[in-house]
Amino acid sequence: GAVVSQHPSRVICKSGTSVKIECRSLDFQATTMFWYRQFPKQSLMLMATSNEGSKATYEQGVEKDKFLINHASLTLSTLTVTSAHPEDSSFYICSARGQGSYNEQFFGPGTRLTVL
Amino acid sequence: GDSVTQMEGPVTLSEEAFLTINCTYTATGYPSLFWYVQYPGEGLQLLLKATKADDKGSNKGFEATYRKETTSFHLEKGSVQVSDSAVYFCALSRNANTGNQFYFGTGTSLTVIP
Repeated sequence: GAVVSQHPSRVICKSGTSVKIECRSLDFQATTMFWYRQFPKQSLMLMATSNEGSKATYEQGVEKDKFLINHASLTLSTLTVTSAHPEDSSFYICSARGQGSYNEQFFGPGTRLTVL
Repeated sequence: GDSVTQMEGPVTLSEEAFLTINCTYTATGYPSLFWYVQYPGEGLQLLLKATKADDKGSNKGFEATYRKETTSFHLEKGSVQVSDSAVYFCALSRNANTGNQFYFGTGTSLTVIP
C-alpha cells in the first residue's frame, strides 16, 4: 500500500519559535495533501487542503498566517507553525491523495508538537 | 453540521471475544462512511468503508453496515485477536474519495488481552 511519512514524529519547542513539519508520500505522487489536527480525546479536525503548486485552502477558523502550508512538489508538503504558543500543542496528521489506484487518502503517522 | 459520534473507550477485551464499537452520524444527504484503524506508532489505515445505505463494508474479519434509518455504522468483529489492539476511528465524507470534507469521531482505543 501507499506510504506517507512525517518528520519529525515528536518536537518540543519554546514559545515564540517556529516549527516545520514535513509530510512525504514515499511511493506515489500526491496531487493533494491534507493537514489535520487532533487534540487529546477529540476528533481529527481538517485544517487545510493543498494541491501541488497552488495555495492551500484553509478551513474556517484556521489562521493561514500562523499555519503556513507549502506543497511545492508532488511528494512533499510542509506545515510551519509560526510563533508557536502552548495552545498550539497538539497532534498534527497529514494525509496524501494521488491518482488512479492512489485516489484515496493515505495518512501519515502524525507529529506530536509540544510548545513550552 | 456534519458530525460523527463514536463510543468512548478504552475498551478491553479478552482474545476471541466479540467486539462492537458504536458509531452514529449526523449529516445531510448521503455521505460515505469509513472505519480507520491506527496501530501504535503508525498512520491511520482504511479498514473498511460503505458508500450507500445498506452497504456492508468488511475487511480482516471486521464488518460494518451503513444503516440510514438509525444513522449508524457500528463496527463488529466476531473474535478479536491481540493484534487487533489499536485505536479505531469512525468517519464520514461527502465524497468517497476526495475526502475534502472528512469528519472523524474521537477514536476508540481497543486493547485485547491474551
